[in-house]
Amino acid sequence: DAGVIQSPRHEVTEMGQEVTLRCKPISGHDYLFWYRQTMMRGLELLIYFNNNVPIDDSGMPEDRFSAKMPNASFSTLKIQPSEPRDSAVYFCASSLVGGPYEQYFGPGTRLTVT
Amino acid sequence: RKEVEQDPGPFNVPEGATVAFNCTYSNSASQSFFWYRQDCRKEPKLLMSVYSSGNEDGRFTAQLNRASQYISLLIRDSKLSDSATYLCADSSGYSTLTFGKGTMLLVSP
Repeated sequence: DAGVIQSPRHEVTEMGQEVTLRCKPISGHDYLFWYRQTMMRGLELLIYFNNNVPIDDSGMPEDRFSAKMPNASFSTLKIQPSEPRDSAVYFCASSLVGGPYEQYFGPGTRLTVT
Repeated sequence: RKEVEQDPGPFNVPEGATVAFNCTYSNSASQSFFWYRQDCRKEPKLLMSVYSSGNEDGRFTAQLNRASQYISLLIRDSKLSDSATYLCADSSGYSTLTFGKGTMLLVSP
């Protein structure tokens, strides 16, 4: 079975550029989560969706960050404009609705903003 | 703010040793808990789920102490391949997980 798929795996960009991260959840999973991981702050939940609808975006650091889920098999996280402090690993995870909340993570996108 | 706290380590143990980590949580209403393993530069991978008093899977045992609000992970007969960071999480939110920052384990020959 295919797990969560993320692209790109690595992204290096200059400050001020737009960055788009992509995620395909596990087929049949109704919840999708975007996380950011840094050494200092650990794994932070940014936003999550249920059946393609954003439920809680209180973890999104500021208006430069936006996320969409146009259908059950695709989501994007966009940063515009990017800043050096956005450098981190961004993970997407998915889980089943009504399940035991076990989340399965994608391989992550390592973002470096110079 | 609901938090999950872990000793960052590292825990340095020789092969074959038994090692245990604790993880404390602040939300007394949490019902489900999870241990994830994260290798360097990889994603977290689910290791064990804990819904009642505990769970056992081979060399790994997870236990839940609701009175003191902590969960533990015990690894017996440590292998070199067990070297990783172990993250605990609780389902403190509706369908969401709150993660600790992880405990690093280093198993040496």
